[in-house]
Amino acid sequence: EAAVTQSPRSKVAVTGGKVTLSCHQTNNHDYMYWYRQDTGHGLRLIHYSYVADSTEKGDIPDGYKASRPSQENFSLILELASLSQTAVYFCASSDGAGEGERLFFGHGTKLSVL
Amino acid sequence: AQSVTQPDARVTVSEGASLQLRCKYSYFGTPYLFWYVQYPRQGLQLLLKYYPGDPVVQGVNGFEAEFSKSNSSFHLRKASVHWSDWAVYFCAVRASSGSWQLIFGSGTQLTVMP
Repeated sequence: EAAVTQSPRSKVAVTGGKVTLSCHQTNNHDYMYWYRQDTGHGLRLIHYSYVADSTEKGDIPDGYKASRPSQENFSLILELASLSQTAVYFCASSDGAGEGERLFFGHGTKLSVL
Repeated sequence: AQSVTQPDARVTVSEGASLQLRCKYSYFGTPYLFWYVQYPRQGLQLLLKYYPGDPVVQGVNGFEAEFSKSNSSFHLRKASVHWSDWAVYFCAVRASSGSWQLIFGSGTQLTVMP
């Protein structure tokens, strides 16, 4: 079974501080995604990547940066954390751009910005 | 624009009863549709996926879904609910280009009563 590991599992950050969320996959997948989940909302795409050293903006990229230093690793960076970025963040990977391709998700990171 | 609507934020059923969770989609062309489940404190897991073809799709743990182009729907069903089905269920459609991301509905929280 494909594996996507996120760290940390939860984090408390201060407003204006820098936060880095990490994701590691052992699936040999090309595509990786960062989603944000808010209560009462579905998952919304923040950034994605289809190759190492390249990232793309998703639907809600403002306030977030992403980094893909290798095929296995994909980080989400909040340079200046804000209260509105309190949410659960999910990393996912997939084999390619095929329309029927499934996504494999990590367990999520619960971020609280105070 | 592509979108998914899950009109029921919460559904409560008794154990052993049948279940239907509703999903409506908006998509130009033939969609690829998915149902994911999120158990407490876990990431999302694939229940089933629809490829163009047979409108009824079988998934894991006795779940099935039926695609209807005329109704723009992809409802999830189960004949007899078990307490372990207590979870949040997300319907999703694959974006047609660009990121090939999954576009998620807001989710339905399923509560199973003894």
